[in-house]
Amino acid sequence: QSALTQPASVSGSPGQSITISCTGTSSDVGGYNAVSWYQQHPGKAPKLMIYDVSYRPSGVSNRFSGSKSGNTASLTISGLQAEDEADYYCSSYTSSSTHVVFGGGTKLTVL
Amino acid sequence: QVQLVESGGGLVKPGGSLRLSCAASGFTFSDYYMSWIRQAPGKGLEWVSYISSSGNIIYYADSVKGRFTISRDNARNSLYLQMNSLRAEDTAVYYCAREVGATGRIDPWGQGTLVTVSS
Repeated sequence: QSALTQPASVSGSPGQSITISCTGTSSDVGGYNAVSWYQQHPGKAPKLMIYDVSYRPSGVSNRFSGSKSGNTASLTISGLQAEDEADYYCSSYTSSSTHVVFGGGTKLTVL
Repeated sequence: QVQLVESGGGLVKPGGSLRLSCAASGFTFSDYYMSWIRQAPGKGLEWVSYISSSGNIIYYADSVKGRFTISRDNARNSLYLQMNSLRAEDTAVYYCAREVGATGRIDPWGQGTLVTVSS
């Protein structure tokens, strides 16, 4: 069982927007602005898409955005494209000795 | 460009040992914290271990504590993971990753090396 809770799957049509939630506790998501989101295509390494809740690394499309409210963080992808179909993982810094906790991952299907 | 290349994975019997290596290039290795993260086949990501830039701060996941040892050689721009007493549940792709800051921002990730523990 993962420390952070994500929906197992979400789907959307091209051009639509989707949101993936990531729920933790006050010891991780709620306690720090240190939530990251990663995109992983099959057989590939994860790629950082969002860090520190809402910041995009250079080169990441502005169609990807992040936010947080209380113990729940969210990743929103607008203007869905076929290449967005992938697994998405959230992570958070945690005050426990675990240091970083991940969500179980969400499979995004572009219909 | 920033690059992380893992090596050392393979097939090992339960109870056996393996040492993973990660060669870093394209950045000042000694300035960054580094982590190992694994992914079992068809499963999600699991953080395994973390080491500070100088090596004086080290954390392990409870699942590997006492069995795995992380280390680094800043002169060789290399990160290591010594894995002992391996179990079937350690079977996974192991990723080497750079941590920006000390709050879990992981970028980039290596391509991964597969470790299979089976008799």
